[in-house]
Amino acid sequence: GAVVSQHPSWVICKSGTSVKIECRSLDFQATTMFWYRQFPKQSLMLMATSNEGSKATYEQGVEKDKFLINHASLTLSTLTVTSAHPEDSSFYICSAGSWDIEEGYSNQPQHFGDGTRLSIL
Amino acid sequence: SQQGEEDPQALSIQEGENATMNCSYKTSINNLQWYRQNSGRGLVHLILIRSNEREKHSGRLRVTLDTSKKSSSLLITASRAADTASYFCATGFGSGGYNKLIFGAGTRLAVHP
Repeated sequence: GAVVSQHPSWVICKSGTSVKIECRSLDFQATTMFWYRQFPKQSLMLMATSNEGSKATYEQGVEKDKFLINHASLTLSTLTVTSAHPEDSSFYICSAGSWDIEEGYSNQPQHFGDGTRLSIL
Repeated sequence: SQQGEEDPQALSIQEGENATMNCSYKTSINNLQWYRQNSGRGLVHLILIRSNEREKHSGRLRVTLDTSKKSSSLLITASRAADTASYFCATGFGSGGYNKLIFGAGTRLAVHP
């Protein structure tokens, strides 16, 4: 259980193109989805948190107009990299979680997609 | 800045040996989680330990948490070549419905046959 599917797995496109990445929870409802960015041999950096039906919360330094996040349903969140440039090339990973209303916060693990490698030429 | 730091950054051992990775963090946490990442792939959850727990086991994995020192360790016993991967600790914190994770720098483990 707890499978997260991320698509596409690899994208190569020209500078100036907008790229959409999808993150789906296949067998559970994800109240919250997270988007991370990872540079080679480095750790994951949290970009934003999205809750179903509300605006995403972006981490400091992440351009919300550059990285558009939509979480329209409990099973789908999308990240759109608008007018991508070579410096946006990276590995983008989504994760999904759910929270226990009784606890008030989640002590459950996040479930990660397999990532999307974005290369902008 | 990242919440956690891990050491060592890289670890190379022989099959059958134990591997120990350490993680330190800076602020109060709800829980600490360990994840594994194979090259170019997503992360796989290994163990979650809550802030009021001190030790947890799962198969060949043993995790300890010392909140007074703000540190945790992951021990992999009887390592196998298939354990070769990067291992990340992540501290979970936040309230109001979700748990943000801040990842450490990771330890790259190589297990040689």
